[in-house]
Formats: sequence, structure tokens, C-alpha cells
Amino acid sequence: ELKVEQNPLFLSMQEGKNYTIYCNYSTTSDRLYWYRQDPGKSLESLFVLLSNGAVKQEGRLMASLDTKARLSTLHITAAVHDLSATYFCAVVSNSGYALNFGKGTSLLVTP
Amino acid sequence: GAVVSQHPSWVICKSGTSVKIECRSLDFQATTMFWYRQFPKQSLMLMATSNEGSKATYEQGVEKDKFLINHASLTLSTLTVTSAHPEDSSFYICSGTDSPYEQYFGPGTRLTVT
Repeated sequence: ELKVEQNPLFLSMQEGKNYTIYCNYSTTSDRLYWYRQDPGKSLESLFVLLSNGAVKQEGRLMASLDTKARLSTLHITAAVHDLSATYFCAVVSNSGYALNFGKGTSLLVTP
Repeated sequence: GAVVSQHPSWVICKSGTSVKIECRSLDFQATTMFWYRQFPKQSLMLMATSNEGSKATYEQGVEKDKFLINHASLTLSTLTVTSAHPEDSSFYICSGTDSPYEQYFGPGTRLTVT
């Protein structure tokens, strides 16, 4: 069974600070996804990481993937209030299409 | 990006009744669709995977006779919650895909069973 663990689950950070969210998974996978969810809303796709060493950046967010360590990171640079949301990582097992989600990281950016 | 719609966006029903949720891919053909359930402040849990024209594959612990899934065409899948109970109240999200590398999520349906 593919397990996905995120940490931290809750994160309160000040505007302007940097922080990293970690996503570990238990079995081999070559597809890892990061999503954002605002309260009461569905998922917004942030990044799709498909190979070892993949790094993608969009604005203040940067995601990376290390398939050997089974680890992905989502790095937040100079946080702003608009980034407050819940962030999920999700992994697809090599044998299928279904996404296995982490528990999510609830991020609150405060002034 | 590809667009998936869900209808209704929210529904309230009485205990014991059935409710149908539609999931449509608007600008692509979804060979596979997924149904997820999300309880408040929790993650998404996959309920079932459906391929067009085939029976859905349900995850362990999901009652297939209670959650009826039909994927009749490449653009439409439906989830029917039969004999709904208050514990079925949840946020139901569908997604569709036409490739192994991306899933496109619908906006979700909030179901409240009274």
C-alpha cells in the first residue's frame, strides 16, 4: 500500500519568511503532484513532477522531487497572506492512475 | 487547462433518500474518472475509479451498492448516493483524465443529509 506523509500538518508563518513543506512516500513512484485547496473549494493544481531531480517554480513556490529518497519538497519564499491555504501532495503508484494524497498542510501566513 | 464541472455544487437531502451527482469533462474526453470524498479538515480519499463503459472499481471499505457509479460516456460520470444517511454528508470531488500524467478536478459537491 502506498503511503504518503506530509509534514508539518499545520504551519503558521509570518509574511516575508521562508519555509519548506515535506512530502515522503513509501513505494516507488514517478509521478508526484502538489495541489492547493482554499476553504470550501476544490483542488487547484500547482505542480506536476515526473522525474528524479525535477524542480519547478511558480511565483513564491518551488517544488522538487527526489525519487531515490522518495521525497518531495514545496518551498515557500517570502510568504504573503494570499498563500494561506491547505497544500496537498499526492503520489501515483507505478501500476495505476489513482492519486494517493497526503493529509495536507494547513498554512496560515500572518502579518 | 481542461475543465471538469460538477452538478449540483451543493445539495441537501433527507435521510433515506437518494441523490445523484454529475461529473462532466467539458473540453476533453475523460477515459478515466475518479470519485473522492473529503470530510471536514481531512484529506481526499479515493472512493472509486471508473472507465467509460466499464464497471467502476471501488476502494476497500466503500460500499458499491450504496455509492453507485456510472460512466456512460467519455464526458459524463455520475455518483448516486443511495439511502443516504447523515454520515454520508461530505464534500464529493470528481476528477477526469485522458492521460497518465494529469487529473483535472471538478469544483466539488457538498452533500448534507438531514
